[in-house]
This record gives sequence, C-alpha cells and structure tokens, in this order.
Amino acid sequence: GQNIDQPTEMTATEGAIVQINCTYQTSGFNGLFWYQQHAGEAPTFLSYNVLDGLEEKGRFSSFLSRSKGYSYLLLKELQMKDSASYLCAVQDSNYQLIWGAGTKLIIKP
Amino acid sequence: IAGITQAPTSQILAAGRRMTLRCTQDMRHNAMYWYRQDLGLGLRLIHYSNTAGTTGKGEVPDGYSVSRANTDDFPLTLASAVPSQTSVYFCASSAGTTGRDNEQFFGPGTRLTVL
Repeated sequence: GQNIDQPTEMTATEGAIVQINCTYQTSGFNGLFWYQQHAGEAPTFLSYNVLDGLEEKGRFSSFLSRSKGYSYLLLKELQMKDSASYLCAVQDSNYQLIWGAGTKLIIKP
Repeated sequence: IAGITQAPTSQILAAGRRMTLRCTQDMRHNAMYWYRQDLGLGLRLIHYSNTAGTTGKGEVPDGYSVSRANTDDFPLTLASAVPSQTSVYFCASSAGTTGRDNEQFFGPGTRLTVL
C-alpha cells in the first residue's frame, strides 16, 4: 500500500526554527508537494521538490531525499501566523497525489 | 478574481436525500478534483477529471458521482446521502497532471452534515 507519515502535532516558540518531517512509501515518485492549511480554510501551496536537495523560499525551505523516501519542511523565524497544519503530498507513478494526514503546528509566544 | 468557487458553503442534509455540490474555476485549468477531509485522515480523493469530458475514480468514490461537461464546472453528486458522508469537501484544480503542473488550487470547501 501507499503511505505518507507525518507527526500529528508539533509545538514551537515564536522566533524559533521548526522542522516538519515527512516519510513516504509510494508506488513510484514524481514529485513531492507541501501545503499549508489554516484551521477552517483551504490548503495553499508552499513548495514542490522533484530532485534531491534543498529548495529555499524566504522563511520556508523544503528538502528531499528520494533514496530515503524522506522530506522535511523547515520554517525559520516563526510567527504566530504560521500556526496551521502542514500537509505533505507525493505524486505517485500514476501522477495521483497521495496525501499525508498533516502536521498541526502550534506556535507559542 | 481568478480562482475556484464552491457552493454551498455549508449544508445540513437528511439521510437519503440527493445533493449536488457545485465547483467552478476560471483559471482554464485542465484537471479538477474532489476531495473529502476528515479529522485525522487527511485529504482523500473521491473523483477526478484530467480534462473536460473525462472522469475517473479516486480512493473513495462509492456513493458519489461527477460530470465534466465543460472546462470550468465539476459538480459532485451524492445520490442518496448517508451519515458517513458527513465531511468537509474540497474541490481543486490544476493546470496539468504531471510534475509542477499538478500544483492544485483549492476552493474554500463545503461543510456537509448528513443526519
């Protein structure tokens, strides 16, 4: 079967750095997406990785290791507005997106 | 304003009733999707359409049907609603179905309660 694993919940302090991990086992791999979802709202796109390495975009970075079936999302200089769920999704061999259950990130002052 | 809209925003429905959730996008995207999101389970694909005139079944298609008569609209129909279909439903669209083109844009969601 196909499986995406993420921690259910994480807590971090405003101004700090947090790393949200995602491990996957899918039938094929054609890219990995990270989305942000605030409570009661729709998911919005954050990043896309298809090659190994780090992609940086402002305060957010995303890393991929295809050989390890592993990605992480790194959030720097945390702000209260970063409190949200972060969803990892892998595009499989049929180009379907397989979604993780999401990681709820709680930011404390 | 370019984007994707859904209607209704929320609905309470008696079991056994028929219900159609509407979804419209104005981005001229080829692909559209319907997901349900339940607590602790993440997004699960119900049905999808890679291009106008074609549809396909996702992970949880039973009890749902879709049509894609044109590029912009992708309605989801519950023929006879059951309480297990209580969920938040998201419609999404993407320019294409491969690689970066599969970045999906989501509508605001429909919160459906079946009693």
